[in-house]
Parts: sequence; C-alpha cells; structure tokens
Amino acid sequence: NAGVTQTPKFQVLKTGQSMTLQCAQDMNHNSMYWYRQDPGMGLRLIYYSASEGTTDKGEVPNGYNVSRLNKREFSLRLESAAPSQTSVYFCASKNRDLLRANVLTFGAGSRLTVL
Amino acid sequence: DQQVKQNSPSLSVQEGRISILNCDYTNSMFDYFLWYKKYPAEGPTFLISISSIKDKNEDGRFTVFLNKSAKHLSLHIVPSQPGDSAVYFCAAMSGANNLFFGTGTRLTVIP
Repeated sequence: NAGVTQTPKFQVLKTGQSMTLQCAQDMNHNSMYWYRQDPGMGLRLIYYSASEGTTDKGEVPNGYNVSRLNKREFSLRLESAAPSQTSVYFCASKNRDLLRANVLTFGAGSRLTVL
Repeated sequence: DQQVKQNSPSLSVQEGRISILNCDYTNSMFDYFLWYKKYPAEGPTFLISISSIKDKNEDGRFTVFLNKSAKHLSLHIVPSQPGDSAVYFCAAMSGANNLFFGTGTRLTVIP
C-alpha cells in the first residue's frame, strides 16, 4: 500500500546510546517531516526537508540530526539519547497536487523509550 | 508557547447527536487550517481543511467553521457515529513548511 513507512515501531534505549529512525514514502512527495508527540503537547516539528538535498530545523531540533538520503527516505538520528527524548515520533510527507497541497500524510509512528 | 489550543481534552457524545470540537489560535498569520483524526497506534489522518479566505467547508458529515476575528475554528460531526471515536487534532499553517498542532481532543461516541 502507498504511504509512509517508519521503522522501528518500538525501541528502548539507555541514556547515551544512539539510534536512527528510518522513514520512507512511495508517493513521490517532495517534502518530508519529523514530528514528536508528547502528552499534553500535541505534535511538534523536529526537522523537515522541503526537497531532496535540503533540511531545516523545526521547533524542537536540539539533540537530533536528519539525513534526506534520497527523495523517498528521510532519517532521524539521536546521537546521544536522553530521557527527555522519550516520545512517539511521526514521519510525514506533503502532498504535491494543488487540491491537497497543504496536507501531510503521516506514518504509523515509532515509540521510543530512553531509560 | 502554544499557538494552537484545544482547551477540551475530551468530549463524550451520544451516537446520532452532533459533536462539536473547538480550536483557538493566536497567530494572525495562519492562513490554512486542518483537522486530523488519530486512532491508537496509528498516525494522524487528514480529515478536512479550510483556507482563511473561507468561513465554512463541508465534507459529508464533517463541517469546519472558521471565525477569523475570534481566531477560532470548530469541527462539527453530524450525525456522530461510534467509529468517530478518536483523538482529533486541529492544526494551522502559515507559509509552506510547518503545521502547528493543538494538543488534541479525545472524542468518545457512545452507542
């Protein structure tokens, strides 16, 4: 099925460990996004990539890095995980057609726990 | 500082009745608004949107109303169905690249 695929779905890390969340979309979208969802906070933008080869910071970029590997793939890396990064992470991509140009399509999420 | 606010964390409605979910925003530069629906263990899915040049948009059972002077929008679901039970997020956009989300309202439709 067409859409946004995230891996892994669940991950437990110890403080200081590193890991990469993977995201791929098969809808030929130009723009891709990483959000985190925390209780009482809604979804907050970490980083986005408006097109292949570009990345920009969102509201809460500290502690994260991203790579737009190609048009399909956008990864999120935690170099040294902290308990404050315990969250559910969502990858999204933005529709191209004019009728739905502002609509983001989300993946199912990756639940990360940092002990 | 939360630019998009959903002040009701939860709402319960009888099946067949109207559900009204509310959202307030503070940034007058927002020019596009969306509602997303989220089931447990799934990502948010797009429901309906409205541009700031309109005050109403309707799609089947779902209608979004925008009051720019009050910086307020609402989502009406009529009639409500048990399958509508989910968390609803309001989101607002200014420019091309960031959606600002509210904290969500959990809707429970009672059969």
